[in-house]
Amino acid sequence: EAAVTQSPRNKVTVTGGNVTLSCRQTNSHNYMYWYRQDTGHGLRLIHYSYGAGNLQIGDVPDGYKATRTTQEDFFLLLELASPSQTSLYFCASSDSGSSQNTLYFGAGTRLSVL
Amino acid sequence: GEQVEQLPSILRVQEGSSASINCTYENSASNYFPWYKQEPGENPKLIIDIRSNMERKQTQGLIVLLDKKAKRFSLHITDTQPGDSAMYFCAAVMSNYNVLYFGSGTKLTVEP
Repeated sequence: EAAVTQSPRNKVTVTGGNVTLSCRQTNSHNYMYWYRQDTGHGLRLIHYSYGAGNLQIGDVPDGYKATRTTQEDFFLLLELASPSQTSLYFCASSDSGSSQNTLYFGAGTRLSVL
Repeated sequence: GEQVEQLPSILRVQEGSSASINCTYENSASNYFPWYKQEPGENPKLIIDIRSNMERKQTQGLIVLLDKKAKRFSLHITDTQPGDSAMYFCAAVMSNYNVLYFGSGTKLTVEP
């Protein structure tokens, strides 16, 4: 099974704070994604990338930046964190050549913005 | 993009009975419909999927149905067990895209 590692697992920051969430996948997948999970909204796509240096905007990008530095590493940046960004964040990867487009998720990062 | 509606949001059933979750989508270009299960404290994992060239697929007590005309698909869990208690998410993928659009989730509780 694909390995996707997120760090940190938990993070608490204050309003206006600067936060970076990290994700690394070791299965040479081309696509990587950042989702947020909130009760009543399911999983909503923030940003995604199909390769190093590429960035695509998802459905809820406001307040988030992302950067794909290598094939393995995808970062989500909150430069001025707000309480509305308190959420459970999942990174995922998939193989662009896969006919199933299966997503492999990391364990999640729980972020609290006070 | 795509909009996926999922109902119900909460579902309680008795052990041994069946559970059904329904989803609708908007974009006729969607051609792949996976279902993910998320156990408490865990990440979502793929449990079954169906492509648009099929109407029905079954595996290990799970049945998925697809009605392309109605833009509707559903998950049916037969003979539910306490281990089936979890969040379930449906999703849709548009042709030539590698982006999953998820429904809002169903919290299934199987009571002994």
